[in-house]
Amino acid sequence: EAQVTQNPRYLITVTGKKLTVTCSQNMNHEYMSWYRQDPGLGLRQIYYSMNVEVTDKGDVPEGYKVSRKEKRNFPLILESPSPNQTSLYFCASSQVGLNTEAFFGQGTRLTVV
Amino acid sequence: AQSVTQLGSHVSVSEGALVLLRCNYSSSVPPYLFWYVQYPNQGLQLLLKYTTGATLVKGINGFEAEFKKSETSFHLTKPSAHMSDAAEYFCAVSGSGGGNKLTFGTGTQLKVEL
Repeated sequence: EAQVTQNPRYLITVTGKKLTVTCSQNMNHEYMSWYRQDPGLGLRQIYYSMNVEVTDKGDVPEGYKVSRKEKRNFPLILESPSPNQTSLYFCASSQVGLNTEAFFGQGTRLTVV
Repeated sequence: AQSVTQLGSHVSVSEGALVLLRCNYSSSVPPYLFWYVQYPNQGLQLLLKYTTGATLVKGINGFEAEFKKSETSFHLTKPSAHMSDAAEYFCAVSGSGGGNKLTFGTGTQLKVEL
């Protein structure tokens, strides 16, 4: 089954404690990205990757890091989480192309206290 | 920069009634437009997408959207709402920024009442 898998689904952490949210896709997609969803703001792109070892900032990259060492994996790293990073996070993947369908993971609800 | 605006953060309809969710876009080039749906505690899934040349687009679950260039709109409709349609709906446009980036509207929460 074609899918994007994120882990964990729920995470509560304390300010400053480094964490990683994993994302894996099994569709051999070149393009992967991370979004955060906040009430009244919709989804905003954090980082994206066009292929292995190629990453770039989206609209709200501050406080986040990513890596793309393998085509299927695109982890999101918060080196020093802060309460304003409390949000719902989604990983997505797609083939490269402006009119292609994006496939989303189930989401990770992160709370930073 | 491209953007989309969704009018109405909450829409409530009766079961069996027409569903109309509004989306207007801003784009200096022909846009690539999408509607995604998010059911509770799930990720987003594609309802439909606009392909150049076909102004009326049919999607899954009986939804359709009409692309109107003169009105810069891409409203989502369904003739008869079902309880299972209750979800959050997002209009999105791609093509700005890097690669496949999707720029989303702020979403419309659809409530279906008996």
